[in-house]
Amino acid sequence: EVQLVESGGGLVQPGRSLKLSCAASGFTFSNYYMAWVRQAPKKGLEWVATISTSGSRTYYPDSVKGRFTISRDNAKSSLYLQMNSLKSEDTATYYCARQWAGRGFFDYWGQGVMVTVSS
Amino acid sequence: DVQMTQSPSYLAASPGESVSISCKASKSINTYLAWYQEKPGKTNKLLIYSGSTLQSGTPSRFSGSGSGTDFTLTIRSLEPEDFAVYYCQQHNEYPLTFGSGTKLEIK
Repeated sequence: EVQLVESGGGLVQPGRSLKLSCAASGFTFSNYYMAWVRQAPKKGLEWVATISTSGSRTYYPDSVKGRFTISRDNAKSSLYLQMNSLKSEDTATYYCARQWAGRGFFDYWGQGVMVTVSS
Repeated sequence: DVQMTQSPSYLAASPGESVSISCKASKSINTYLAWYQEKPGKTNKLLIYSGSTLQSGTPSRFSGSGSGTDFTLTIRSLEPEDFAVYYCQQHNEYPLTFGSGTKLEIK
């Protein structure tokens, strides 16, 4: 059974940093692109980042480019999201998702982890 | 960026009825559209990708159609478990973008 379990969320002040983790199991992690998707309170879904199988390619929307860094450790079947210079508008539930090959849809999602950016 | 306009934002229906949800892209995305179901306490579920391909495990009462800029999710003969929030998402190009969601409630 595919499982994706996020951790590392919490309350952080604006301008500070936070690193999220996602532990994957039930599939060969190194064979899949992985992604982060977020959902602000009472809002819709927003794609945040994607990483290729080897980690050599990463993709971001303009809203987080230069502030967020996605990475992975295939030996540990783990995905990460380093978030720097956090803003109040980054407050959201962050979901780890398995991405189908290079095509950008998500066939499995985690339960999500909440990040609150507030002073 | 491709803007995805989803409608309606809210839909009320009764079990057994059929409903349709529309998703329009600001430019052509070929057939590269996915549909997801969001339910409280459950992980998001991929229903359909590439416009009309049912993900394994998706009941056959769900169907997707469309190409270019106009897409539709149809649910025939609603079951109680279908009442949820539905999102469309284009997977033709980066940045990947979602529609704003449709909440399907029991009438």
